[in-house]
Amino acid sequence: DTAVSQTPKYLVTQMGNDKSIKCEQNLGHDTMYWYKQDSKKFLKIMFSYNNKELIINETVPNRFSPKSPDKAHLNLHINSLELGDSAVYFCASSFRADEQYFGPGTRLTVT
Amino acid sequence: EDQVTQSPEALRLQEGESSSLNCSYTVSGLRGLFWYRQDPGKGPEFLFTLYSAGEEKEKERLKATLTKKESFLHITAPKPEDSATYLCAVRSNFGNEKLTFGTGTRLTIIP
Repeated sequence: DTAVSQTPKYLVTQMGNDKSIKCEQNLGHDTMYWYKQDSKKFLKIMFSYNNKELIINETVPNRFSPKSPDKAHLNLHINSLELGDSAVYFCASSFRADEQYFGPGTRLTVT
Repeated sequence: EDQVTQSPEALRLQEGESSSLNCSYTVSGLRGLFWYRQDPGKGPEFLFTLYSAGEEKEKERLKATLTKKESFLHITAPKPEDSATYLCAVRSNFGNEKLTFGTGTRLTIIP
């Protein structure tokens, strides 16, 4: 069974559209994260939730809104997509902020 | 602000040729230093956590070491399947629980 899963794996959309990415973990972890990896492979934290409470909110445009319906799920909704949003988005989870386990990534392409 | 610098950017080795990857960091109180491996098209895979200077961890052909300013990932007699990008990240004792990543070292092992 996959520990951290994301859907979809690929997402191609036009500028101005709204899209969502879903993440689920079955590890029993209490903290979940969203990261963005740009074209130069640099991995940067966007958000983190602990037990459904937002604990990290880096400098991210407010077009990005995370939602955590429960401890095992963390979704990312993006409004009014822009070309610069094209990247690979990774979900991760951890227990008590120890080592993080990453999902397979969602490659978002905005045209 | 926490900073992580990895060198070299890319490294090509012959199979069996041992070498080391470097991760230099500045952080206000190190809570943990993490090594990850990332294969193309996949999410980062956790390898090691180091907590204090002098600590060492080993896994198969990999050994990670830590000083107060840097960490090394030593690879002994590598095989082609060790080819990947190796990422280093740090977590601070202060502030939120985010990981700050370096830009990685792309390792290629030539058969």
